[in-house]
Amino acid sequence: SQTIHQWPATLVQPVGSPLSLECTVEGTSNPNLYWYRQAAGRGLQLLFYSVGIGQISSEVPQNLSASRPQDRQFILSSKKLLLSDSGFYLCAWRRDRVSTEAFFGQGTRLTVV
Amino acid sequence: AQTVTQSQPEMSVQEAETVTLSCTYDTSESDYYLFWYKQPPSRQMILVIRQEAYKQQNATENRFSVNFQKAAKSFSLKISDSQLGDAAMYFCAYCYQGAQKLVFGQGTRLTINP
Repeated sequence: SQTIHQWPATLVQPVGSPLSLECTVEGTSNPNLYWYRQAAGRGLQLLFYSVGIGQISSEVPQNLSASRPQDRQFILSSKKLLLSDSGFYLCAWRRDRVSTEAFFGQGTRLTVV
Repeated sequence: AQTVTQSQPEMSVQEAETVTLSCTYDTSESDYYLFWYKQPPSRQMILVIRQEAYKQQNATENRFSVNFQKAAKSFSLKISDSQLGDAAMYFCAYCYQGAQKLVFGQGTRLTINP
């Protein structure tokens, strides 16, 4: 069966510090991968998605970047965090564009102080 | 552009009662899929139910069922015999066949009153 791992679960970082959130999927190959952000009590905002190694599509101009160094690994990064980067970050995967539902990781709660 | 609208930011229901959450969407596609996701306090997103647009029969999963009205572009979720564990944010989502991403609504927070 397929599983998705996302870490860390909770992170408190000072303003101006770097960020690296990691997501890995097991049990499948060539998944579509996604990073979402969710502000408190709000909906999901798609940040990045990737359909293959090294292929990154950015949805919203951000202080963030994403990378996919391996088939089942998706990384969300920032060189210098802003207060506005605080939120709940969710990684998700889909098998491909034919299989339509997305499966989510458990999320990372990021607080920038 | 495809959009998904959930017009009820919050809903509440008495335990054991039935509640219906609303969702409308806008699309020009003919082949698409609709979903309801549940996000409990743990914030893990859980797929509750899915509906293929080409199927006229409404999807059901135990106490969860949908009312899919394709012409009206409406996709509501009915929860029967509400339980305390149903308390969560519920998100409606859409994607068309071949789409690279899902489009989510803004969510409805459901409270279950004991």
